[in-house]
Amino acid sequence: ETGVTQTPRHLVMGMTNKKSLKCEQHLGHNAMYWYKQSAKKPLELMFVYSLEERVENNSVPSRFSPECPNSSHLFLHLHTLQPEDSALYLCASSQEIKTGGYGYTFGSGTRLTVV
Amino acid sequence: KQEVTQIPAALSVPEGENLVLNCSFTDSAIYNLQWFRQDPGKGLTSLLLIQSSQREQTSGRLNASLDKSSGRSTLYIAASQPGDSATYLCAVWDNYGQNFVFGPGTRLSVLP
Repeated sequence: ETGVTQTPRHLVMGMTNKKSLKCEQHLGHNAMYWYKQSAKKPLELMFVYSLEERVENNSVPSRFSPECPNSSHLFLHLHTLQPEDSALYLCASSQEIKTGGYGYTFGSGTRLTVV
Repeated sequence: KQEVTQIPAALSVPEGENLVLNCSFTDSAIYNLQWFRQDPGKGLTSLLLIQSSQREQTSGRLNASLDKSSGRSTLYIAASQPGDSATYLCAVWDNYGQNFVFGPGTRLSVLP
């Protein structure tokens, strides 16, 4: 394990379902991130949290709803998704935001399939 | 808007070959460039990070170079091994957006 744990590893959901992705880190990091990696696009940043406060939302549709209850846990709540939302969702953490790319730790990802 | 491209998209080589992976970026105003490795079912692992003021970094059989003015970086892998099989991602730290901009990756297969 890399220090950032994501569950579940795989998820298949219907378009009308509601599900949540979970990310957990015990590295003492203060910043956490959600990234999306689809077959047709490079890794792209979705959300940034610093000390449980959302600091960035990169024009992500409202059907994706992040939650950061504390600095160790990050959730991505999913509802009414579309098939094009099928992708690998990666969580990452770093000591602080805007570190210049240093010290990022990535989780193994959740492979999401929307049917 | 910064864009990162990688060539080739996929590469298959016999074990023992030396190989070069290419990365290009459109805006030279980068803070640094980083090469990552991604294995199926696993997260990203940082291989090498080159500061914008540096020309190259080396780690074992890996050597990464950076030509900021031309917007290019190469990752050289010497004496490739089957264990090197993975997807290699190039990412620049964008000074304006203060975030990574990733390339699409090169999928490498090293055949025994």
